[in-house]
Amino acid sequence: GEDVEQSLFLSVREGDSSVINCTYTDSSSTYLYWYKQEPGAGLQLLTYIFSNMDMKQDQRLTVLLNKKDKHLSLRIADTQTGDSAIYFCAERRGSARQLTFGSGTQLTVLP
Amino acid sequence: NAGVMQNPRHLVRRRGQEARLRCSPMKGHSHVYWYRQLPEEGLKFMVYLQKENIIDESGMPKERFSAEFPKEGPSILRIQQVVRGDSAAYFCASSPGQNPDYGYTFGSGTRLTVV
Repeated sequence: GEDVEQSLFLSVREGDSSVINCTYTDSSSTYLYWYKQEPGAGLQLLTYIFSNMDMKQDQRLTVLLNKKDKHLSLRIADTQTGDSAIYFCAERRGSARQLTFGSGTQLTVLP
Repeated sequence: NAGVMQNPRHLVRRRGQEARLRCSPMKGHSHVYWYRQLPEEGLKFMVYLQKENIIDESGMPKERFSAEFPKEGPSILRIQQVVRGDSAAYFCASSPGQNPDYGYTFGSGTRLTVV
C-alpha cells in the first residue's frame, strides 16, 4: 500500500521503556525520521536514520531499522511524563524532497 | 535564529471567505514546504517551493488552493472560498537549499477553522 503505518496509541508507566513501531512503504526510501508533536505545537525532529544503517542511538532514543521488512522502531528509555506526545514516523522516498508521514502514535506516560 | 515563523496561529473564517496563511522560513533556508494535518491524521504534503518557483504541487487540491514564495517576504498559502473540510492545521517547513536529508524545521502551524 501507499501508507506509512503506525499503531495509534501506546501507554507506558514512567521509568519504563517505550517502543513505537512504524511500517513504511518504499524500499527506495533513503532517510527515515521520527518527529514529536506536543499538543497545539508543531513538529520537532527527534532523530533520523539513513537507510544503510540498522541502528542509531542518541541519548535515550534508539532507532532500529529492518530494511528487509520495511520496519522502523523508536525506543525511548526511562520514559518520562514529558515524553507524552504524538510521535510520527516519516520517510523520504527516493529522490523526492517531501516527506510522507504516518498517522502518528499517541504516547501516554502514566505516573 | 527565530526558526520557522507562521502566522496567524489561529484563523477563523466563514464559509466562502478567503484564508491567507503566512510562513517565514528559517534564516538561510530557501526551500519551503506546506503540509496539511486533518484532525487525528498525519501530515499530508501539499506543495514545495523555492523563491519565486513552485517545484512540486502534487499534493495541492486542484481548485481554490494556491501558494507562492516571492523574492521578498514570506511564503503564502491561499485558500479561496473556504469550506468546512478545509478546517485543519497547516504546517510550513523549511530546509537549506542543498540538503534536506537531516529533516526539515517545522513551524508551529496555523489552525484554520471554517464556520
